[in-house]
Amino acid sequence: DADVTQTPRNRITKTGKRIMLECSQTKGHDRMYWYRQDPGLGLRLIYYSFDVKDINKGEISDGYSVSRQAQAKFSLSLESAIPNQTALYFCATSDGTGGSYEQYFGPGTRLTVT
Amino acid sequence: RKEVEQDPGPFNVPEGATVAFNCTYSNSASQSFFWYRQDCRKEPKLLMSVYSSGNEDGRFTAQLNRASQYISLLIRDSKLSDSATYLCVVTVYGGSQGNLIFGKGTKLSVKP
Repeated sequence: DADVTQTPRNRITKTGKRIMLECSQTKGHDRMYWYRQDPGLGLRLIYYSFDVKDINKGEISDGYSVSRQAQAKFSLSLESAIPNQTALYFCATSDGTGGSYEQYFGPGTRLTVT
Repeated sequence: RKEVEQDPGPFNVPEGATVAFNCTYSNSASQSFFWYRQDCRKEPKLLMSVYSSGNEDGRFTAQLNRASQYISLLIRDSKLSDSATYLCVVTVYGGSQGNLIFGKGTKLSVKP
């Protein structure tokens, strides 16, 4: 089984709809991240969480919100989806202890907003 | 100046070729450096960390030059399976210690 899972893997939704992307991990890591990837723009950080009670905005948080329901679960919500939120979304985790900053990514969610 | 800059490529090389990727970063206080590999429509995966002394893993060699804020990745004896996008990654310094800044990636295509 994969260590970091994301659901759904693909989603098509309409402008104005609320949508939630979910991420779960079995690595036991405290740190979790949400990124989006667009062609030509690379990976950009949306939100990150260093533990269950810690939520921080990333580079491009406008239009998004997150919830850290447990150490293993980190959800990303689009309250009112718009077409320019069409992208590939990745969740990632890291241990962060002892200077270990390697991040482990989920398989991604391909979101299309029409 | 962008925080992490890479030549986007694509680099089209024949099997067996040696290919080198370069990357520059803007924050002199960055502490940790990595190369990630991303296959088409897949998640990024760590290829190797980059240390000041340089490090090698099989056909892959990574170098770091802190004075020039420059990172490189050398791939020897390229294989078809090396075709992917290679992402240069550095850590953020300060309050969000440990967060990563990703370059946009360099695309490699190895041809038979």
